[in-house]
Amino acid sequence: GQNIDQPTEMTATEGAIVQINCTYQTSGFNGLFWYQQHAGEAPTFLSYNVLDGLEEKGRFSSFLSRSKGYSYLLLKELQMKDSASYLCAVQLPNAGKSTFGDGTTLTVKP
Amino acid sequence: GAVVSQHPSWVICKSGTSVKIECRSLDFQATTMFWYRQFPKQSLMLMATSNEGSKATYEQGVEKDKFLINHASLTLSTLTVTSAHPEDSSFYICSARAVMAGGPQETQYFGPGTRLLVL
Repeated sequence: GQNIDQPTEMTATEGAIVQINCTYQTSGFNGLFWYQQHAGEAPTFLSYNVLDGLEEKGRFSSFLSRSKGYSYLLLKELQMKDSASYLCAVQLPNAGKSTFGDGTTLTVKP
Repeated sequence: GAVVSQHPSWVICKSGTSVKIECRSLDFQATTMFWYRQFPKQSLMLMATSNEGSKATYEQGVEKDKFLINHASLTLSTLTVTSAHPEDSSFYICSARAVMAGGPQETQYFGPGTRLLVL
């Protein structure tokens, strides 16, 4: 089966930096997605990593190590609106479907 | 960015009725769409992969005769929940697979979701 692990909950302070880790063991690998999901809403795309390394996009950065089965999402200069669930998803080679982790609920406090 | 719409955004129905949910990619063609279900405080569970012009591929444990999927065109996929029961109440979300010129190598864009409540 597919196994994706990420912490259930994290708390951080406004203006700080937080790193959300994701480890995976899957039967195949095309790439890794990070999504943000606010309560009651559908997920929104944050990043897609295929190659090892860090990709930066504004306040958000995503890192991938394929050999270690490891990724993280780095959020800088946290804002209250960043309070949400962050989903790590591995895209499998078969038909491009993705398997999702359970998500990390991030709470940003003043 | 790419836009995916879903209709309706929410629906309440009586047990035993059927409900159709539409998923449209508004500004790109999606040969593949995915249907997910999400229960409160849980992650997304893939139900099926919908490919234009062919039969959908269902995940293990998902009844294909209960959740009918039709991908009639490159911009439209529909999910019909047949003979809905209260345990089918959930948040149904579609996503469309896209490879955009000049953008990320690949991504999936999610629709806004459909909340189904079966009484």
